[in-house]
Amino acid sequence: GAGVSQTPSNKVTEKGKYVELRCDPISGHTALYWYRQSLGQGPEFLIYFQGTGAADDSGLPNDRFFAVRPEGSVSTLKIQRTERGDSAVYLCASSLISGSTDTQYFGPGTRLTVL
Amino acid sequence: KNQVEQSPQSLIILEGKNCTLQCNYTVSPFSNLRWYKQDTGRGPVSLTIMTFSENTKSNGRYTATLDADTKQSSLHITASQLSDSASYICVVRQDSNYQLIWGAGTKLIIKP
Repeated sequence: GAGVSQTPSNKVTEKGKYVELRCDPISGHTALYWYRQSLGQGPEFLIYFQGTGAADDSGLPNDRFFAVRPEGSVSTLKIQRTERGDSAVYLCASSLISGSTDTQYFGPGTRLTVL
Repeated sequence: KNQVEQSPQSLIILEGKNCTLQCNYTVSPFSNLRWYKQDTGRGPVSLTIMTFSENTKSNGRYTATLDADTKQSSLHITASQLSDSASYICVVRQDSNYQLIWGAGTKLIIKP
């Protein structure tokens, strides 16, 4: 596609439920990143994929968070037993290669609200 | 601790005026510094990427400067337009990993 797309754009769930957030990167981009952004803050790094493998998952806050990218394209961020503190905008970005000066292209984000 | 601090937190200027946003960082080892523009409800869009050896980089009406000695950067916006209203985020990449250290952003409002 023309850009990074994320679905759903908004997700409202109840505390304790499981959610999946999807990211479709730009075609051909090998690197994919997930970030979380709270109101009035810059994005917080969660996980980075190079191809199908998670090259760096040090930003995942705990084991309730998990992400996959099985075919090296679409990625899914999975959150188990959601908590109110998980409410944020989840941003996905992709880049053509992963180099020090790679430009990351961001999707519009998924706004997650945990009631 | 690796940190990126931006000032001011918010800024209101009249259309047509210039403004300068500031960024100080303590990230080490340093790889590069980026400025992103984020419209409300949208993902960030890259404006500039500057490495250690670059002092100035322009992108249209946006000019970024970098002083790697004092660990400071600025983003200057010339002849502001209403569409410049957005958050401007300073981001520093460490040389040792793929993570980007993000500032909290400056919220810029351009008034007609």
